[in-house]
Amino acid sequence: DTAVSQTPKYLVTQMGNDKSIKCEQNLGHDTMYWYKQDSKKFLKIMFSYNNKELIINETVPNRFSPKSPDKAHLNLHINSLELGDSAVYFCASSFRALNTEAFFGQGTRLTVV
Amino acid sequence: AQTVTQSQPEMSVQEAETVTLSCTYDTSESDYYLFWYKQPPSRQMILVIRQEAYKQQNATENRFSVNFQKAAKSFSLKISDSQLGDAAMYFCAYGPAGNNRKLIWGLGTSLAVNP
Repeated sequence: DTAVSQTPKYLVTQMGNDKSIKCEQNLGHDTMYWYKQDSKKFLKIMFSYNNKELIINETVPNRFSPKSPDKAHLNLHINSLELGDSAVYFCASSFRALNTEAFFGQGTRLTVV
Repeated sequence: AQTVTQSQPEMSVQEAETVTLSCTYDTSESDYYLFWYKQPPSRQMILVIRQEAYKQQNATENRFSVNFQKAAKSFSLKISDSQLGDAAMYFCAYGPAGNNRKLIWGLGTSLAVNP
């Protein structure tokens, strides 16, 4: 039973395309996150949703749009992909309070060519 | 602003030896949490250990333990009896208490374990 599942694991696409990454968690958590990890392994939070409500929205280009249909799902849609979007994108989930462990998905390696 | 600093970009240890990874943080808050996450080559992020700031006792998880010095704002990770499977990136993270707060991450330390 995968706790936090992301699809796809790998995504290669051309500049200008639109793509989506899906995330689902079966842990009963109420908060989900999207992180971006660049080539130097730096982790940067992008978005956080609590019970389908956007609670953290870092400075991210508006080409990135998260969608949370319910508290178990958080998808990330990216429009007009650019070379600089190439990175590993992680979905994570936790309970609302940060003293609890965040569980991560296996990551999606996005390569824009 | 809250920051997390991992001053060792890379470290190495001989199998079965002990290694300590350093982490310092800056905050004006008194209630918070600290975490060490491991990211092996498989790129899965795995929680290694967690420390609550209000607890004086250092957290331990099997071969992993921390040295939490609240006044010095230091949170180092000690790995005893290192194993080949411990080779990974290790990230230190700071989490302020309360809801809707975000984790602050260090840049990571890449640990190599030599046979």
